[in-house]
Amino acid sequence: EAAVTQSPRNKVTVTGGNVTLSCRQTNSHNYMYWYRQDTGHGLRLIHYSYGAGNLQIGDVPDGYKATRTTQEDFFLLLELASPSQTSLYFCASSGGLGTSYEQYFGPGTRLTVL
Amino acid sequence: GDSVTQTEGPVTVSESESLIINCTYSATSIAYPNLFWYVRYPGEGLQLLLKVITAGQKGSSRGFEATYNKETTSFHLQKASVQESDSAVYYCALGSSNTNKVVFGTGTRLQVLP
Repeated sequence: EAAVTQSPRNKVTVTGGNVTLSCRQTNSHNYMYWYRQDTGHGLRLIHYSYGAGNLQIGDVPDGYKATRTTQEDFFLLLELASPSQTSLYFCASSGGLGTSYEQYFGPGTRLTVL
Repeated sequence: GDSVTQTEGPVTVSESESLIINCTYSATSIAYPNLFWYVRYPGEGLQLLLKVITAGQKGSSRGFEATYNKETTSFHLQKASVQESDSAVYYCALGSSNTNKVVFGTGTRLQVLP
C-alpha cells in the first residue's frame, strides 16, 4: 500500500534511446516532483507539477521532459538518453508548496544509459 | 548559494555505540530556513526523520535528535545507541516554508555492525 510508486525500478538503455519513467501517488496530493541523485550530489530537482496538465521547471531540467496526466500520475521523459543521465531517480509528492508540507518519496528508479 | 554539507560516508559503527553525523548549511537566499533529516532504508524511498523550523530548537524521532544551531549553522544528527536496523542513508536538507526549494546534502551511508 505504498503511497508513491515508481516503475520501472531498474532500466538499462543505450545512448539515444527513449525512456519513460513513471510515478503514481495515492496521497491525493497536488504537488509531484522528479529528482535525480548522483554520487557526490544531493537530490536535485528536475521538474515538478502542481496539478494535472501543469509543469514547472526545476534546477536541472536540461534533457528531460515531464508530463502530469492526472493528479496521480507524473511521467519523466528522456527522448534522447545520454550517459550523463545515468542516475537514481526519485519521485515525490506533497500536499502543498514549501516545507510546511512533507514530501513523500517513491523507492527510486535506477537508470543506466550505456 | 544555498548548500548543505554533511559527513561523507560510509560511516560504520557497532551496535549500541553512539553516532553523530555532521551537517552544516549555508542559506543565502532563504531568510528563515527549515532544517530536516531524511532517511532512506534499503529498497525504499526517502522518509522524513525529523524537522526543525526554529533556530535553537531540537527535533527528535526514533531515538535520533538534532539541534538547529544558527550560530554555527549546524544541524548534526545524533543517537546515543544505534541498532542494526538503523543502517540506512541519511540526508540533511534545508528548505523554506514559502517556496518549493529544498536543498539536500549528498547523503551519509550508515552501516551498523551486529
